[in-house]
Amino acid sequence: EIVMTQSPVTLSVSPGERVTLSCRASQSVGTSLAWYQQKPGQAPRLLIYGASTGATGIPARFSGSGSGTEFTLTISSLQSEDFAVYYCQQCNNWPLTFGGGTKVEIK
Amino acid sequence: EVQLLESGGGLVQPGGSLRLSCAASGFTFSSNAMRWVRQAPGKGLEWVSAVSGSGSNPYYADSVKGRFTISRDNSKNTLYLQMNSLRVEDTAVYYCAKRGVEAGGGYHDHWGQGTLVTVSS
Repeated sequence: EIVMTQSPVTLSVSPGERVTLSCRASQSVGTSLAWYQQKPGQAPRLLIYGASTGATGIPARFSGSGSGTEFTLTISSLQSEDFAVYYCQQCNNWPLTFGGGTKVEIK
Repeated sequence: EVQLLESGGGLVQPGGSLRLSCAASGFTFSSNAMRWVRQAPGKGLEWVSAVSGSGSNPYYADSVKGRFTISRDNSKNTLYLQMNSLRVEDTAVYYCAKRGVEAGGGYHDHWGQGTLVTVSS
């Protein structure tokens, strides 16, 4: 099983700041990596797939990069609606596995 | 517009059974693989099971293998998860999700709102 590790666990940020979230895979997944956003009481929402492709309707301030075992989600200028938990998921091997999540909270 | 609507959750005793349903609309259901993903209270996401568009080739997480069965009725545009021998640790919100088709797929491009399963005596 591929273990996905996200860091940090919690990030305290002010609106307007640039945010960088990390995700590491225990073995290479190529670019088979997705990012999701989840707000309290809501289902996850797909942000990025293929490590760097934005999903339909996702604002341009969200971008993804990386390959192999190291991946990054960047939010260029954090908006109030972006405070949420972010999860990465590897799509390369069964079982599909998620990271533990990074909570982005208001500073 | 893609819509996924889960139902069938509730309170069940340990060792009991429950069947979840997910009604799909807004896309060609029979052409798309589907998954179940769960989230225990206050915890992260855990993939549970997957099935191809035809209903063949099911996959299961080790934690549910032999107890859960995924199936689908393409004539009704509905996905199912039969859960037997339920354990306290199966308590979670269960989401159905549609598999994305680009860049090799594997990701989940649409999610339902979830249904809560509580296993407790």
